[in-house]
Amino acid sequence: AQSVAQPEDQVNVAEGNPLTVKCTYSVSGNPYLFWYVQYPNRGLQFLLKYITGDNLVKGSYGFEAEFNKSQTSFHLKKPSALVSDSALYFCAVRDTFSGGYNKLIFGAGTRLAVHP
Amino acid sequence: GAVVSQHPSWVICKSGTSVKIECRSLDFQATTMFWYRQFPKKSLMLMATSNEGSKATYEQGVEKDKFLINHASLTLSTLTVTSAHPEDSSFYICSARQRGGYEQYFGPGTRLTVT
Repeated sequence: AQSVAQPEDQVNVAEGNPLTVKCTYSVSGNPYLFWYVQYPNRGLQFLLKYITGDNLVKGSYGFEAEFNKSQTSFHLKKPSALVSDSALYFCAVRDTFSGGYNKLIFGAGTRLAVHP
Repeated sequence: GAVVSQHPSWVICKSGTSVKIECRSLDFQATTMFWYRQFPKKSLMLMATSNEGSKATYEQGVEKDKFLINHASLTLSTLTVTSAHPEDSSFYICSARQRGGYEQYFGPGTRLTVT
């Protein structure tokens, strides 16, 4: 079955320190991978995607993610965390069985808390 | 670019009544729109997928007669919760995908409370 795993319910990091939010996936065929961020009582905002090409993908707000095919991972990273980065982060993968609809399969989400 | 709006942002209704939620893509044409439901501190649950001019495709376990979806144009989809009950109270989020794209752009969500 196709799936996305975010092994950490919460990640705590001090402001200014690097952050990593982990994501692993299981999918048939080539993975199309995405990261979204959700602030309280809001919809999801698109951060970045990997479709093909360079394994290191740069996105919005200074975030980047590294695609690792052998480890089936797509971890989200940022060199220096800000308090305003505190939010709920979702990793997603395209459902390859959804045909032209291109549905997304979401992970359970990881809450990032950046402390001053 | 790629802005999606939802209206209303929150609604309170009485049990047994129906509620309509609108989802609009403001600056692009949405080939496909999706409706999700999100429970507190939980991930998103896909309810249905719709292409413009076609009937919606519902996920397993989602009652299509209760959650009516209409994708009338390339910029508008509506979700109507019919005969709402307190257990339908939730945060409903729509998203839209443009032709040739893989990422979805999400609306801000609608908080539905059924009393």
